[in-house]
Amino acid sequence: DADVTQTPRNRITKTGKRIMLECSQTKGHDRMYWYRQDPGLGLRLIYYSFDVKDINKGEISDGYSVSRQAQAKFSLSLESAIPNQTALYFCATSDSWTGGNTIYFGEGSWLTVV
Amino acid sequence: GQQVMQIPQYQHVQEGEDFTTYCNSSTTLSNIQWYKQRPGGHPVFLIQLVKSGEVKKQKRLTFQFGEAKKNSSLHITATQTTDVGTYFCAGITSGTYKYIFGTGTRLKVLA
Repeated sequence: DADVTQTPRNRITKTGKRIMLECSQTKGHDRMYWYRQDPGLGLRLIYYSFDVKDINKGEISDGYSVSRQAQAKFSLSLESAIPNQTALYFCATSDSWTGGNTIYFGEGSWLTVV
Repeated sequence: GQQVMQIPQYQHVQEGEDFTTYCNSSTTLSNIQWYKQRPGGHPVFLIQLVKSGEVKKQKRLTFQFGEAKKNSSLHITATQTTDVGTYFCAGITSGTYKYIFGTGTRLKVLA
């Protein structure tokens, strides 16, 4: 079983609809992240959370919101989806060692907004 | 804000040829990591470099961290078809505690 699980893995939604991507992890890590991947643009950080009461905006947070429901759960919402939010979304975790943290990625969620 | 660029964006090589991807940051980094993403997969951690001028090797892969800690490179000797994928660098600056990923280099190896 994957240590970082994302649901759904694939979703097609219509413009203007609300969509939530969920992430859960069994690694016991404090830190969780949401990234978006687009061809030629690499992985861009949307939001990150260093513990349950901590939420921070990343590089491209506009149009997105997040919720850290528990240490193991971090969900990403698109309140009103638009076509340019079509992308591959990754949830990720890392531990809180300040010397440098390996980031563990989920398997990704393909989102298409039509 | 902090930016991390990688070149080239794409590279096609014949199997057995060498390959290098370069990573450049607009700011000085505390450390840098490299990840590999196989086609259809998710990024997987390869290595971390911390010291100025550091060089690390993993079999046919050689990783370098620049003296100024603003650039890094990954060199693959004698590529194999199993090397196919996208390679990302990810840098962290002191006090920020979050990694900014580079734009990635997509490697194709022709048999």
